[in-house]
Amino acid sequence: DSGVTQTPKHLITATGQRVTLRCSPRSGDLSVYWYQQSLDQGLQFLIQYYNGEERAKGNILERFSAQQFPDLHSELNLSSLELGDSALYFCASSVDPNPLNEQFFGPGTRLTVL
Amino acid sequence: GEDVEQSLFLSVREGDSSVINCTYTDSSSTYLYWYKQEPGAGLQLLTYIFSNMDMKQDQRLTVLLNKKDKHLSLRIADTQTGDSAIYFCAEREDNYGQNFVFGPGTRLSVLP
Repeated sequence: DSGVTQTPKHLITATGQRVTLRCSPRSGDLSVYWYQQSLDQGLQFLIQYYNGEERAKGNILERFSAQQFPDLHSELNLSSLELGDSALYFCASSVDPNPLNEQFFGPGTRLTVL
Repeated sequence: GEDVEQSLFLSVREGDSSVINCTYTDSSSTYLYWYKQEPGAGLQLLTYIFSNMDMKQDQRLTVLLNKKDKHLSLRIADTQTGDSAIYFCAEREDNYGQNFVFGPGTRLSVLP
């Protein structure tokens, strides 16, 4: 158990819908990362937050957005969903953005878009 | 753009050594990582190496870096069935705001 929690574990929805994925980082970790893992694209970094502020952006679509709240939990919002958005979405946390600090990964949320 | 490549599959016999290879294109990469993903789980950091190092050893794991050829390898000595997993190579620049780029992952199967 990494100490990072993600909800829900599974999510099934239809094209065109909007969903919110939630992540609670390990106690004491200020930095949160979101990743998408799909068969087509492999593992891709989406976005990083540090202490409530966006720190780095990866291959995140405009239809997707995220935020980190004052209590440090983070949400990833996916809208106008397409079939190709079906994937495993991971959240990870670390103490701070230092590249030497290990990122601890949550168990993931499996999104299925029908 | 940045690209990281790995072979997709590797099978070894229990007790043998496994060598997983990775090539990357970004010459400004400062940190190179190996992650392990077991079935149904998230990623677990195994080890990392700075781009100014040639080798790093950590118990059964040895990382070799050829910066000239942009080639990274992970050697697992005395491979066990518990080592069966997908192994991802990743690179990152020396910038707190820089994102990670991951390879496609190598599925290691350890045969008894």
